[in-house]
Amino acid sequence: AQSVTQLGSHVSVSEGALVLLRCNYSSSVPPYLFWYVQYPNQGLQLLLKYTSAATLVKGINGFEAEFKKSETSFHLTKPSAHMSDAAEYFCAVSEASGYSTLTFGKGTMLLVSP
Amino acid sequence: EAGVAQSPRYKIIEKRQSVAFWCNPISGHATLYWYQQILGQGPKLLIQFQNNGVVDDSQLPKDRFSAERLKGVDSTLKIQPAKLEDSAVYLCASSLGTTGELFFGEGSRLTVL
Repeated sequence: AQSVTQLGSHVSVSEGALVLLRCNYSSSVPPYLFWYVQYPNQGLQLLLKYTSAATLVKGINGFEAEFKKSETSFHLTKPSAHMSDAAEYFCAVSEASGYSTLTFGKGTMLLVSP
Repeated sequence: EAGVAQSPRYKIIEKRQSVAFWCNPISGHATLYWYQQILGQGPKLLIQFQNNGVVDDSQLPKDRFSAERLKGVDSTLKIQPAKLEDSAVYLCASSLGTTGELFFGEGSRLTVL
């Protein structure tokens, strides 16, 4: 069975500060890993994905994440937060084989202050 | 390219009533998903279709929830009778393959009073 743990239901940063959202996964087989963002009253939008190629993955809006197998982690970072980054972020995992469902974490709300 | 369409966006019903949600996926996407997102939680998969067939419905409360995907395109999700704990956003998503890159609709927000 696969699962995702996101540390911290809320993260607050100042505009211009580093953003770090933590995600640890559990999977019995090689995983695919994803970060999605959800703005208020909208559906989820893919930020970036890891599918067993480069371990450092770059996504949209300046975000990136690094797959670390030894730590079973896939943390999301952005060097400098912008007010428009305020949203909820979900880490998700699926198995890299067959018809695998996507399992989401509980989400982390990113708050950005001026 | 048109995105995933869902309707209605908002629905308020009383407990024990029934409700139906509709989803039109992105053209050509064979896989369609219904997720339930309760406030403060991540989306939980209810059912996954591959074309007309059900791939996974292990977390669908089958005594009250049903879903169908006719002709491998549009899908409907029905709840009958609704309970208070069914208050949530119901998200429809579609994908070309099975590698987890899902495209989501804006969701249908259900409030059960």
